[in-house]
Amino acid sequence: DTGVSQDPRHKITKRGQNVTFRCDPISEHNRLYWYRQTLGQGPEFLTYFQNEAQLEKSRLLSDRFSAERPKGSFSTLEIQRTEQGDSAMYLCALPDSPTDTQYFGPGTRLTVL
Amino acid sequence: QKEVEQNSGPLSVPEGAIASLNCTYSDRGSQSFFWYRQYSGKSPELIMFIYSNGDKEDGRFTAQLNKASQYVSLLIRDSQPSDSATYLCAVKGGGGSYIPTFGRGTSLIVHP
Repeated sequence: DTGVSQDPRHKITKRGQNVTFRCDPISEHNRLYWYRQTLGQGPEFLTYFQNEAQLEKSRLLSDRFSAERPKGSFSTLEIQRTEQGDSAMYLCALPDSPTDTQYFGPGTRLTVL
Repeated sequence: QKEVEQNSGPLSVPEGAIASLNCTYSDRGSQSFFWYRQYSGKSPELIMFIYSNGDKEDGRFTAQLNKASQYVSLLIRDSQPSDSATYLCAVKGGGGSYIPTFGRGTSLIVHP
């Protein structure tokens, strides 16, 4: 148990629809990360939060993507007008201090038809 | 752009053999190095991390770091079929960087 849950675990949607994923840390963590992983690739950084502040965003995070962490606890990642290229595993991770080891949640697998 | 390179494999070894997985990185200022294991359909899980040049051992796993040559490796002794997975190398820079860069992973197959 890595101390983080993600919901839903699987999502199938049609192209053009909006989807929202949620990440819930079991305990308090200052920092929270989102990654995307496609088949045959390692996790690619999308964004991270320090409490409720979104401190850095990857250029992978187009204007169709938005992430929030309103109370510095759970976080949501929304994708608007989904495209087939958005099909991937979306991973939430909590870092361990002081090593910064990333502890990943189970992920949300998105399939865009 | 910071890059982490791994041979995608698959690397196939017989049960009981030593599996050697390699990773090179481009950012000479990198400070922290991690190996993760990922089973098919699951999320990555940490095997070990290493900061200093040399070897670090944990059970059947040994991580080796050579900062001068910018490579990090993972040795798995007495490989078991349950070790069959994708092994991801991740590298984090220094200077207050909080963002690790992952390689694409090496697929390892341990056959009985």
